[in-house]
Amino acid sequence: EAQVTQNPRYLITVTGKKLTVTCSQNMNHEYMSWYRQDPGLGLRQIYYSMNVEVTDKGDVPEGYKVSRKEKRNFPLILESPSPNQTSLYFCASSGQGSEKLFFGSGTQLSVL
Amino acid sequence: QKEVEQNSGPLSVPEGAIASLNCTYSDRGSQSFFWYRQYSGKSPELIMFIYSNGDKEDGRFTAQLNKASQYVSLLIRDSQPSDSATYLCAVNPPGSARQLTFGSGTQLTVLP
Repeated sequence: EAQVTQNPRYLITVTGKKLTVTCSQNMNHEYMSWYRQDPGLGLRQIYYSMNVEVTDKGDVPEGYKVSRKEKRNFPLILESPSPNQTSLYFCASSGQGSEKLFFGSGTQLSVL
Repeated sequence: QKEVEQNSGPLSVPEGAIASLNCTYSDRGSQSFFWYRQYSGKSPELIMFIYSNGDKEDGRFTAQLNKASQYVSLLIRDSQPSDSATYLCAVNPPGSARQLTFGSGTQLTVLP
């Protein structure tokens, strides 16, 4: 089944404790992206990657890191999480020549 | 000014009625326009996209685009309770590769 898989689904952590949210897609998509969704603000792009080893900042990159060492994986790293990073996070991917985004099931992060 | 604006709702319509969802965007050079549906607690899924001025129909859904007025709308005919969801408008501004800018969404409730 074609899908984007995010883990974990829920995560509660404390300020300053490094964490990684994993994202993997099995559709051989070149493009991958991370979004955060907050009430009233919609989906905002954090980082995106056009292909392996090619990443770039989105609209709200502060406090986040990403890497794209393999085509299928695009982890989101919070090196020192803060409470304002409490949010619902979505990973998404799309194939070459397509703007249709496939979303993962989301990660609800709470930073205490 | 937000780049993509939607009325947050909630919008309530009776079953069988036409639901009309509207979206305006600020970047006149935008070329691609998308409607995503997001059920509560779920990830967004693409339901319509439109590139050219005019109407595009797919089953009960019609997307309408007016580039001169910078608005895009989604009509849902014969609305069903299963259409109750948040509808996200997304725009691909010029020069942004496959990055999408999302509106904050309109919550639609279809009353049985």
